[in-house]
Amino acid sequence: NAGVTQTPKFQVLKTGQSMTLQCAQDMNHEYMSWYRQDPGMGLRLIHYSVGAGITDQGEVPNGYNVSRSTTEDFPLRLLSAAPSQTSVYFCASRPNQNTGELFFGEGSRLTVL
Amino acid sequence: DAKTTQPPSMDCAEGRAANLPCNHSTISGNEYVYWYRQIHSQGPQYIIHGLKNNETNEMASLIITEDRKSSTLILPHATLRDTAVYYCIVRSFNTNAGKSTFGDGTTLTVKP
Repeated sequence: NAGVTQTPKFQVLKTGQSMTLQCAQDMNHEYMSWYRQDPGMGLRLIHYSVGAGITDQGEVPNGYNVSRSTTEDFPLRLLSAAPSQTSVYFCASRPNQNTGELFFGEGSRLTVL
Repeated sequence: DAKTTQPPSMDCAEGRAANLPCNHSTISGNEYVYWYRQIHSQGPQYIIHGLKNNETNEMASLIITEDRKSSTLILPHATLRDTAVYYCIVRSFNTNAGKSTFGDGTTLTVKP
């Protein structure tokens, strides 16, 4: 069981570039979510999904897109990167939207120049 | 989900109990209290959760007041490895409540 796997671990982008952060889990969890964490701050919810084909916005969704075509994968897309999106991004999953604790990936550190 | 309030930082001597408070005065009857911690820049790690009864596991104890408006996470014998940011969150098990939101947490520093 690998748990929650995020790739890449580090990425540097130029302003205006696009990229996708990948998140995969092998625990058959229905619920998946993306958070961002700025230096010295707590985690803020970007988007979440309660099952394949269903996504919804969190606290800070602007500038990010998500899709959930399979139970295992929940990619986060930055359409046109901005310096304000420099952050550490965490993907998390739990069995379903109602029960269980969150399992987190190790994070993806993104720098936008 | 109810909002939580935690002190920004706390210190604890190694080997002593660390008591981390959390205020959740607007908690409703179907909301659970969850605790996570984040060591350095790693992904947060689940510690414990509870509804109204006190809970204990191999990592910690959770004491929830009778009115459920506050709780305390207890690390009985803190070690240097327990230095981390501790997050208290409140989450409903309502079918429409998929979100789990985190505040800024408490930075616990365990000192030798």
